[in-house]
Amino acid sequence: DQQVKQNSPSLSVQEGRISILNCDYTNSMFDYFLWYKKYPAEGPTFLISISSIKDKNEDGRFTVFLNKSAKHLSLHIVPSQPGDSAVYFCAATSYNFNKFYFGSGTKLNVKP
Amino acid sequence: NAGVMQNPRHLVRRRGQEARLRCSPMKGHSHVYWYRQLPEEGLKFMVYLQKENIIDESGMPKERFSAEFPKEGPSILRIQQVVRGDSAAYFCASSPGQATGELFFGEGSRLTVL
Repeated sequence: DQQVKQNSPSLSVQEGRISILNCDYTNSMFDYFLWYKKYPAEGPTFLISISSIKDKNEDGRFTVFLNKSAKHLSLHIVPSQPGDSAVYFCAATSYNFNKFYFGSGTKLNVKP
Repeated sequence: NAGVMQNPRHLVRRRGQEARLRCSPMKGHSHVYWYRQLPEEGLKFMVYLQKENIIDESGMPKERFSAEFPKEGPSILRIQQVVRGDSAAYFCASSPGQATGELFFGEGSRLTVL
């Protein structure tokens, strides 16, 4: 039962342009959403999060948008840099934080 | 390094042997989560523990898998009688508690079953 879905396994963008990574979820009980970045042979590292009471959160080059009615969130990276090349996972949880559901990941390649 | 420490980083076992994976959470963190990542797949929740308590083990296979987080020492994920399908990367994550939703991950333990 895939409650968090990332339908694009890969994305390629040019350096300096915007990267948009998408994520859909099915469980309306989710209260909190996160994005993680993962390099090969390393553990995921936290990037940015958003609470369900907000529709946007921004941190430097990274912005997460939440559309609760569509059960959709997206991560915008602008401008994209080659060092952003990694696999990006979105995750969702409810406020008891007992279980975090992760998507299958999107591999971003930023071309110099 | 005050991050989440996992060992061993790589473990090779033959079918039928036991695998023990250890996780030391970040200092001050009392909540530990174990996730499994199969090749080309995402992170699958296995178990959520607090000190001496299993809070949610709904992602753990019913047989051969167990986890603990004792009062002293690291959290242990134990896989008995390993099979080839257990080959995966096992990630541990910790958090300070339910006031925050951020998980801090270790670098993972890669289990290969021959």
